[in-house]
Amino acid sequence: KAGVTQTPRYLIKTRGQQVTLSCSPISGHRSVSWYQQTPGQGLQFLFEYFSETQRNKGNFPGRFSGRQFSNSRSEMNVSTLELGDSALYLCASSRVGTQNYEQYFGPGTRLTVT
Amino acid sequence: DAKTTQPNSMESNEEEPVHLPCNHSTISGTDYIHWYRQLPSQGPEYVIHGLTSNVNNRMASLAIAEDRKSSTLILHRATLRDAAVYYCILRDVGGGGSNYKLTFGKGTLLTVNP
Repeated sequence: KAGVTQTPRYLIKTRGQQVTLSCSPISGHRSVSWYQQTPGQGLQFLFEYFSETQRNKGNFPGRFSGRQFSNSRSEMNVSTLELGDSALYLCASSRVGTQNYEQYFGPGTRLTVT
Repeated sequence: DAKTTQPNSMESNEEEPVHLPCNHSTISGTDYIHWYRQLPSQGPEYVIHGLTSNVNNRMASLAIAEDRKSSTLILHRATLRDAAVYYCILRDVGGGGSNYKLTFGKGTLLTVNP
């Protein structure tokens, strides 16, 4: 079974630009979550999508947005990039339900803002 | 979110058992205790989880204190591949288990010596 895939793996953008990252969950997984990882703040939850709806949201500004498609694939978008947005962006997928406790993480997209 | 406290780092020798502690004194009745680990240059990986009783799986064991205010992840025979950052996380499943937001702390950096 294929794992969570994220594209691109590496990205360099300039301050003020916008960026879109993509995540394909494991087949059959309908929940997709996004996390930001930086050396200073560690792993922080961005948002979670299920059935094309945002179900949970972390404490990030509105420049960070996401969406989920009917096939459960998800994208996140960051507009007006700032230097502090340089980070590893991780996507995780899960089955849905109380007994489905595991989140499976992808390898991440390394975003560098210059 | 209920908070967890872990040592910043621990060291072990290969093929010896490792006990990684976690304190969660403000845990609520609907919080599951989850452990994830992150190997260098990879996304986090699920290790184990539990609610009240001790749990075993192929990767590790989880010992939960009777009052649930602390837990210990046990790696029975550490290998070099177990060198990683280990995160102890509380996941609130109140509301039907629809909360897939994981709040990561700083974790414990485990070093395994050959």
